[in-house]
Formats: sequence, C-alpha cells, structure tokens
Amino acid sequence: RKEVEQDPGPFNVPEGATVAFNCTYSNSASQSFFWYRQDCRKEPKLLMSVYSSGNEDGRFTAQLNRASQYISLLIRDSKLSDSATYLCVVITPRGSQGNLIFGKGTKLSVKP
Amino acid sequence: EAGVTQFPSHSVIEKGQTVTLRCDPISGHDNLYWYRRVMGKEIKFLLHFVKESKQDESGMPNNRFLAERTGGTYSTLKVQPAELEDSGVYFCASSQEAATVGEKLFFGSGTQLSVL
Repeated sequence: RKEVEQDPGPFNVPEGATVAFNCTYSNSASQSFFWYRQDCRKEPKLLMSVYSSGNEDGRFTAQLNRASQYISLLIRDSKLSDSATYLCVVITPRGSQGNLIFGKGTKLSVKP
Repeated sequence: EAGVTQFPSHSVIEKGQTVTLRCDPISGHDNLYWYRRVMGKEIKFLLHFVKESKQDESGMPNNRFLAERTGGTYSTLKVQPAELEDSGVYFCASSQEAATVGEKLFFGSGTQLSVL
C-alpha cells in the first residue's frame, strides 16, 4: 500500500463548480499535512496546510480526519487559473527528522 | 530575493554518460533537499543536506548517484553512469528550518533529465 494515495483524476469541471479531492495516508504517526499545487512543468508550491480543526483560505477548504487517516481539499467557485495538479503531502517521522511524502497528485482542469 | 535555482533545466544524455545537476538554494538556507519524480510516479525524496553534511541519504537509489554540497552552499547531484530508468524530473528544495515544517520548504523548478 502506498504511503499517500490520492484520487486518480483527472477532474474536468466547468468554471464556478465545486470540486473535492481526497487523500489517504497509511502511517498513523504522520505529523503534518499539506496540499501543494503544481502547474504544468513547474515546481510544487505550498497551497495550504491542513489542520485537525479544518482550515479555510478563500475558496479553498482543507480538512483532516486523523481517525480515518484522510485529508480533503474543497475548491469552491472554480476558476480557470485553478487548473493544476494538486499534491497531497504528508510529513512522516523518518530517522532523526520528518520527511515529506508526496501523493501522485490529482489533475484538475477547469473549463470555460 | 532569489528563489531556489537549478541548472540545467533540461538535459538529454545517452545511457552510460555522466550528468551533473546543480542546485543553488535560497541564501541562508542550511537545509537542502533533492527529490525526483519519475514519469507516472510520485515525487520521492532522495537526500537531505544540513549545511555540507548529509543528514539523510536513504532515498538515493544506488551508488551511481553522488550528491555533494561542498562549503554548504550550492549542491550537485551526479549520475554516473546514467541508466534509462534515471529519466525524470529532479527537484531541489531548501529551507531555513528542517522540513518537519512543510510550510517553509521552497522548490526549484527542476531539471528534466532524459536518458536515451
């Protein structure tokens, strides 16, 4: 079983739609959780951290369920500029320090 | 402020040749990481430097890969001899603190390596 698994995608949605991405992780000792965004042929960039209490940043809402080892990202009112690959990232204890474990990513394409 | 820069952006080599990738972290960042994404797979950790010391190199695939960070500034990743399965995008990232805090990790735009 992969350490971080995501919806395979791709998600093709019209502008204005609401879209949700899911992610599960296998290591219950995982410490921190993030969503990164990666545009085509670009580097990954942090979109937002994910907290147990849930957190929101504008049109983006992230949630964490530690009991189910499940993370989600909700995007409301999708924009064309939201088209990208969304990477679920987990920090898992590894040796003396944590290490980022990436999911394969879910591709989102927002159409006019 | 300059971000993490990587050179070259693309490299096409033949199997058996040697390639050296370079990463210049953000100035003042002691922590430097190398990651790799093979086509169709997830981004995977290769190794972590703290200044010039290798903190964790458990992700290095085999002894054909050699990473250095002399002087604790820029880093190089050499692949010798390159094999077909080494093709992928090699990302470098840096942070001021260790990447137990994912918010403060900055990635370079990567080197696309193609081994023919």
